Amino acid sequence: DAGITQSPRHKVTETGTPVTLRCHQTENHRYMYWYRQDPGHGLRLIHYSYGVKDTDKGEVSDGYSVSRSKTEDFLLTLESATSSQTSVYFCAISGRAIPGDTQYFGPGTRLTVL
Amino acid sequence: AQTVTQSQPEMSVQEAETVTLSCTYDTSESDYYLFWYKQPPSRQMILVIRQEAYKQQNATENRFSVNFQKAAKSFSLKISDSQLGDAAMYFCAYRSGGGSNYKLTFGKGTLLTVNP
Repeated sequence: DAGITQSPRHKVTETGTPVTLRCHQTENHRYMYWYRQDPGHGLRLIHYSYGVKDTDKGEVSDGYSVSRSKTEDFLLTLESATSSQTSVYFCAISGRAIPGDTQYFGPGTRLTVL
Repeated sequence: AQTVTQSQPEMSVQEAETVTLSCTYDTSESDYYLFWYKQPPSRQMILVIRQEAYKQQNATENRFSVNFQKAAKSFSLKISDSQLGDAAMYFCAYRSGGGSNYKLTFGKGTLLTVNP
C-alpha cells in the first residue's frame, strides 16, 4: 500500500462545468502523475509533477490543468468538462525511496460527463 | 518517442496451466525499465514485475516471470500454475532510465481469462 487516495471515486457532471479531482499521498514522494484510461488506449499521461509547484504536460494534456501546492496533494482540473473527458483517471506516485522508481497507483476515479 | 505494443487483445488459459503474454517496444535508448501491471475487475493497478534493461537476468516473482530479449525489444510475461485470481487486464509499460520525470508509456493491454 503506497498510501495513495483519490477523491472523489465516482463523479457524474454535465458538459461545461468545472471539475477538480484530488490525489493525496502520505509517503512524501517527489513525483506525482495523472493518467487517463480509455478502452483501446491503455493509460495515457495527462500531466505530472516533479515537486511542489513544478509540473509539466504529458501526451494528452489539452483541456486539463494541474496544481501542486503541497507535496502530498496533486489536483487535476477540467476547466470546462466535455463528453470526451469521460474516462477513468488514475493518480500515481514515484520517488527515489521506491525501488526502481516504480510507479504505484491510486484506486482511480470514474468520471462521467453528460 | 517510445511505443509499447501488446499484440494479443485477449488470451485465455486453463487453471493450473501456463500462459505467456507478449509485449514489444520501440526505443533508441539503452537505459530503461520495463514493467507488467495487472488490473483486476476492482480497477486497481497492481505491479506484477519489473525488469531493468541493464540486467541480463530475467526477473521472477513467484509464479510470474519474464523473458526479456533486449536485442529483439521483447518483454513477455509468463504466468505459471494459473489461478482464477490471475484473471485481469495486463499492461506492459516502458520507462526511460534517463531524464527526470520517470513517466510510463503503456501498451493497450491484454485481457486474460482463466477457465476453471
